[in-house]
Amino acid sequence: NAGVMQNPRHLVRRRGQEARLRCSPMKGHSHVYWYRQLPEEGLKFMVYLQKENIIDESGMPKERFSAEFPKEGPSILRIQQVVRGDSAAYFCASSPPQGPDTQYFGPGTRLTVL
Amino acid sequence: AQSVAQPEDQVNVAEGNPLTVKCTYSVSGNPYLFWYVQYPNRGLQFLLKYITGDNLVKGSYGFEAEFNKSQTSFHLKKPSALVSDSALYFCAVRDDDYKLSFGAGTTVTVRA
Repeated sequence: NAGVMQNPRHLVRRRGQEARLRCSPMKGHSHVYWYRQLPEEGLKFMVYLQKENIIDESGMPKERFSAEFPKEGPSILRIQQVVRGDSAAYFCASSPPQGPDTQYFGPGTRLTVL
Repeated sequence: AQSVAQPEDQVNVAEGNPLTVKCTYSVSGNPYLFWYVQYPNRGLQFLLKYITGDNLVKGSYGFEAEFNKSQTSFHLKKPSALVSDSALYFCAVRDDDYKLSFGAGTTVTVRA
């Protein structure tokens, strides 16, 4: 039973480029959450999505960040025009259809902005 | 608003000794409490959770945690630590919604 999958595991971008982070939830899970972990800090909630719906994006920066979870395919976290402060580990979690309950996390994508 | 405090940045114990990682929380509604462990360059692995019921919760790898409502604590414990338990441990809380709030983490080092 495959867990939450994220790719790429490591991503290097130059300032001003775009970063696309992908997350495939666990089989049977339809709720996806994105969290960001800055150095020396705990994880911070960014966004909660269900298939084709953004439920809560209150933790997303107002500009340059967007997320989607299409009917088919993985969830995508997109960061446009990256800046050095975007360097962090981005974790995706998923939970089953009946509710949030336990969130299971993927291995994360470590974004480095040069 | 909800929050979690992990008062110790680091915990060092000898192999075979008991291990305790402290966590206190604050929520406005019913607390749902979780412990996760993170190994270097890896994701978070779920260890255990408290939703309702018995205050002592048993989880993976021999870990357990005790929910104490009066002290708003949810300390993680293991009776006999292993070197392989060395990792970063996160306590997390949510109330009736879905957003997890994490503590800053506690680095556990178990020496042989």
